[in-house]
Amino acid sequence: KAGVTQTPRYLIKTRGQQVTLSCSPISGHRSVSWYQQTPGQGLQFLFEYFSETQRNKGNFPGRFSGRQFSNSRSEMNVSTLELGDSALYLCASSFGTGREAFFGQGTRLTVV
Amino acid sequence: AQKITQTQPGMFVQEKEAVTLDCTYDTSDPSYGLFWYKQPSSGEMIFLIYQGSYDQQNATEGRYSLNFQKARKSANLVISASQLGDSAMYFCAMREVSGGGADGLTFGKGTHLIIQP
Repeated sequence: KAGVTQTPRYLIKTRGQQVTLSCSPISGHRSVSWYQQTPGQGLQFLFEYFSETQRNKGNFPGRFSGRQFSNSRSEMNVSTLELGDSALYLCASSFGTGREAFFGQGTRLTVV
Repeated sequence: AQKITQTQPGMFVQEKEAVTLDCTYDTSDPSYGLFWYKQPSSGEMIFLIYQGSYDQQNATEGRYSLNFQKARKSANLVISASQLGDSAMYFCAMREVSGGGADGLTFGKGTHLIIQP
C-alpha cells in the first residue's frame, strides 16, 4: 500500500511569489490535514479536509489556503510569500478522525 | 495553556537500554486520542503508536508501548531495547474527538533522543 506522497520535496521561492504544494493520501483515506513545522513555533495545524470540505483551519492568515479534490488529493497554496513562511510543510492522511494519521515526507519550502 | 507538554528537550541513552519519553496533556474533552511520532533528520513523521481515551489496555506496537495514566493525564512512550536507529525527534500529539476531531493534531515540542553505542 502506497504511503502519503507529497510533492515537491524541496522548493525555493522568492518573497512575494506564491506556491502550491500537493499531497496524495493513502488510498481509501478521505481526510487530509496540513501542518507547518518551524524551529521556533514547532508543529502547527493549518487545516483539515474531509470529502472535499474544509472542516477547520488553524490560526494562519488568509494567504494560506487549500482544497481537496474528489479523489482525496489535496493542495495547499500560499500567496504573497514571506520569509517567515520558510518551513517544512507536512500532510497527514487518515480514514476519518480515526486511530491513525500517517504523514508524508513533507515539502521543505525556503523563501528568499 | 499548553495542551501537550514534553519536559525532556533531549535525552542520551545507551544502546539496548529501555527509554521512557514523558508526555502530559490537558483536555476537557472526554474523548480524545493520543499519538506518538518519530521524526528522523530526513523530516518524515513516522507514526509509532496510538491510545484512545476509552481504551482499557495500554497500547503496544513491537518495541513501543504507551504508558497511559488517564487520571494523571500522562501518556509516556516506552521504547524497549533501544537501537542506534531510534535516534530521532519524538513528538507526542493529541486529537480531541468530540468536536469531530476537525482541529487536527496538537503536538508537543518534542524530545531529541540520541542512542549511544
